[in-house]
Amino acid sequence: GNSVTQMEGPVTLSEEAFLTINCTYTATGYPSLFWYVQYPGEGLQLLLKATKADDKGSNKGFEATYRKETTSFHLEKGSVQVSDSAVYFCALSGTGGFKTIFGAGTRLFVKA
Amino acid sequence: DADVTQTPRNRITKTGKRIMLECSQTKGHDRMYWYRQDPGLGLRLIYYSFDVKDINKGEISDGYSVSRQAQAKFSLSLESAIPNQTALYFCATSDLVKGQGKETQYFGPGTRLLVL
Repeated sequence: GNSVTQMEGPVTLSEEAFLTINCTYTATGYPSLFWYVQYPGEGLQLLLKATKADDKGSNKGFEATYRKETTSFHLEKGSVQVSDSAVYFCALSGTGGFKTIFGAGTRLFVKA
Repeated sequence: DADVTQTPRNRITKTGKRIMLECSQTKGHDRMYWYRQDPGLGLRLIYYSFDVKDINKGEISDGYSVSRQAQAKFSLSLESAIPNQTALYFCATSDLVKGQGKETQYFGPGTRLLVL
């Protein structure tokens, strides 16, 4: 079946460090891929998305590239800030069942 | 004003009580969802509705029921609350790219429920 696997957390970084959160997926067809972010005390919100292979989604300094050959959608940011501390969820939609499938989430802590 | 609102934001109840969590949206979306989030865990789907007349069970529907009163309103009920239903509950809506089955989800702020 369709699934999303992302790296376990928590991930702890110092401010201005480089961030990578790995995400791989299993799906039939050509899903859209997403990263959602959940800040403390809030609901999830869309961070970025990509709708087809080789597309790059970007927002707030975060980037992820849809890699069909490796079935991956890794999240990256060149220089994290304390305000980036949150839980990040990788997700896909657009395959059989027509619902979004979420990964388990990765908690990021950024220290000043 | 927020596009997806949930009431109450926090609720404490006792074992055996029936409670209702409410969700309203102003986005005009047909699709609505209820999720549960436990500490350290991801999201688990409780129920979803693709339109007012279409309601479906998710992966953990036992002990829960829903009502889609209108396109804009989707309520979740715990018929007889138990302590292991203590969790954070999220409502979400989604748009849908017709013909592609692809959607972006929009979440409410959550309801924190404690069952004693």
